[in-house]
Amino acid sequence: GAVVSQHPSWVICKSGTSVKIECRSLDFQATTMFWYRQFPKQSLMLMATSNEGSKATYEQGVEKDKFLINHASLTLSTLTVTSAHPEDSSFYICSARDSSSYGYTFGSGTRLTVV
Amino acid sequence: AQTVTQSQPEMSVQEAETVTLSCTYDTSESDYYLFWYKQPPSRQMILVIRQEAYKQQNATENRFSVNFQKAAKSFSLKISDSQLGDAAMYFCAYSLPVTGKLIFGQGTTLQVKP
Repeated sequence: GAVVSQHPSWVICKSGTSVKIECRSLDFQATTMFWYRQFPKQSLMLMATSNEGSKATYEQGVEKDKFLINHASLTLSTLTVTSAHPEDSSFYICSARDSSSYGYTFGSGTRLTVV
Repeated sequence: AQTVTQSQPEMSVQEAETVTLSCTYDTSESDYYLFWYKQPPSRQMILVIRQEAYKQQNATENRFSVNFQKAAKSFSLKISDSQLGDAAMYFCAYSLPVTGKLIFGQGTTLQVKP
């Protein structure tokens, strides 16, 4: 089946630094990718939608300059958390939409801890 | 705006018994998709079942089935013959075909007792 590889699975960074999270679709073309944030025991909150070759669309309340999303190819989307602060610590999950099957495939998630 | 509501934060079921998780949603669209996802402690999202709104027949996947009531905007998940491995957080989700956005409910934590 469709697989989305998400890296890193966990990362610890110092406050003020930037962290990049990658999601790759391994066996299908992901024209659209979604980025979510999840706090412990809570739901997935959609942060942004990225389409290959165009600017990402951010949900209301999500800081565009803090969470930079790039979707330069049909198989790769990246989320960069810039100038990270402890309140950015969370679990980030990507999801790729396979337009051929109208299915969604999720990455395994990235646990970000900012110290 | 589309919203998804899961009114049961936690549910418990005895092994081999049946449990139903509730979900309601709000939309003005007529064409959409509904999903149930399972998130075990590993936090990997796993698709349980999917329903297209234009299909009247309820979707079924082995021990998992849904009761889709379009007029009532209700989409409940029934798990039969519950197994210990079913213990997880379950999310109901709604998707618009055009934008593809997947909107999740608050989630229901299911405990399976041996």
